[in-house]
Amino acid sequence: DTEVTQTPKHLVMGMTNKKSLKCEQHMGHRAMYWYKQKAKKPPELMFVYSYEKLSINESVPSRFSPECPNSSLLNLHLHALQPEDSALYLCASSQGPMKGQTSSYNSPLHFGNGTRLTVT
Amino acid sequence: ILNVEQSPQSLHVQEGDSTNFTCSFPSSNFYALHWYRWETAKSPEALFVMTLNGDEKKKGRISATLNTKEGYSYLYIKGSQPEDSATYLCAHNTGTASKLTFGTGTRLQVTL
Repeated sequence: DTEVTQTPKHLVMGMTNKKSLKCEQHMGHRAMYWYKQKAKKPPELMFVYSYEKLSINESVPSRFSPECPNSSLLNLHLHALQPEDSALYLCASSQGPMKGQTSSYNSPLHFGNGTRLTVT
Repeated sequence: ILNVEQSPQSLHVQEGDSTNFTCSFPSSNFYALHWYRWETAKSPEALFVMTLNGDEKKKGRISATLNTKEGYSYLYIKGSQPEDSATYLCAHNTGTASKLTFGTGTRLQVTL
């Protein structure tokens, strides 16, 4: 079983809906990530939080809004999505960079099982 | 090489066969190369993180090598078993604030 928990497992939403994806880890990891994966494509990085601060936003449209309420939780708020946003959304965590460094390049990512999102 | 590329895209082997696949990545500004195994309906699981040219790592029947000068890594599976069936992803880190760039993966199917 994964130590990163994502809810819900499946989500169907209309283009006018507002919904949130949730991710939780209790491994003491200080970096948390959102990835988006479409069929037969590699996971694409969306956001990185490091020590609860947003450190990377890969030019993601504002209809996706991340939030890190504390070091164990990561949310992704969804509003006014398009059908092409349908994908598997993966959350991951890692130990995170040491204080004063900008990268934890040698820390493996621990992934959740993902949320399968369908936008109708 | 501008992106992370993996080959082959898919592979079908018999139980007991040994197999290997390739990950190619930009050789400039290298920090780390990650390998993950992703079984259907599960989450991707980290296999190896490799940082030094010439690194070789092993976990049971699975091993990996790294050549940072020419920009490739090989993953080897010795004596494949049905439970090895999964997609194997590699990911390249250029040290930029924990950003990993993934390849499209090699889908391995092992049959009896």
